[in-house]
Amino acid sequence: AQKITQTQPGMFVQEKEAVTLDCTYDTSDPSYGLFWYKQPSSGEMIFLIYQGSYDQQNATEGRYSLNFQKARKSANLVISASQLGDSAMYFCAMREPFAGNNRKLIWGLGTSLAVNP
Amino acid sequence: EAGVAQSPRYKIIEKRQSVAFWCNPISGHATLYWYQQILGQGPKLLIQFQNNGVVDDSQLPKDRFSAERLKGVDSTLKIQPAKLEDSAVYLCASSFPQVSGEAFFGPGTRLTVL
Repeated sequence: AQKITQTQPGMFVQEKEAVTLDCTYDTSDPSYGLFWYKQPSSGEMIFLIYQGSYDQQNATEGRYSLNFQKARKSANLVISASQLGDSAMYFCAMREPFAGNNRKLIWGLGTSLAVNP
Repeated sequence: EAGVAQSPRYKIIEKRQSVAFWCNPISGHATLYWYQQILGQGPKLLIQFQNNGVVDDSQLPKDRFSAERLKGVDSTLKIQPAKLEDSAVYLCASSFPQVSGEAFFGPGTRLTVL
């Protein structure tokens, strides 16, 4: 069963508007971490934001915020005031315990975001 | 702080040839990952090391791919012999091992198999 689900293969947003990229996850472990990464067409993978399963508040980093709904197992990325440079692939990932103290990093299939001028 | 280094950046080989990629992680990062990313897809984990031990290599095609991490620092990924479907970007990443440790990625090696 897929552990990270990103249901939006592609999204469009007008410049300066906000956009939400969906991510749902599945884990039975109470301790886990959720990450969002951006991958522009140049190929580098850029870390955006992190949310821990025990964090009481939603994570924010500049224009990025994470809408964390633990009961629904969702960790949606919200980008406010979209810019043309936000056009990229966005990946949701989860780290959960695996084999004792080791932890796997599991990835979704990504959402392609296009920002229109 | 220096980032994750990878070399080469680009490699073109013919099928059935062998190739090796090198990765130097961020200093102090115990966890090292090798990912394969085919154009238009998400990264696929090939192997994950914790120090110099293998945590997960369940998706590594062991008949042709091998990886090692000597002394728990640098790592090499080898393909022998290469197939056309191995054409992809090979990403190396490293992180601290705890749940909150984000993975930092290198620039990747773009492999083309002709």
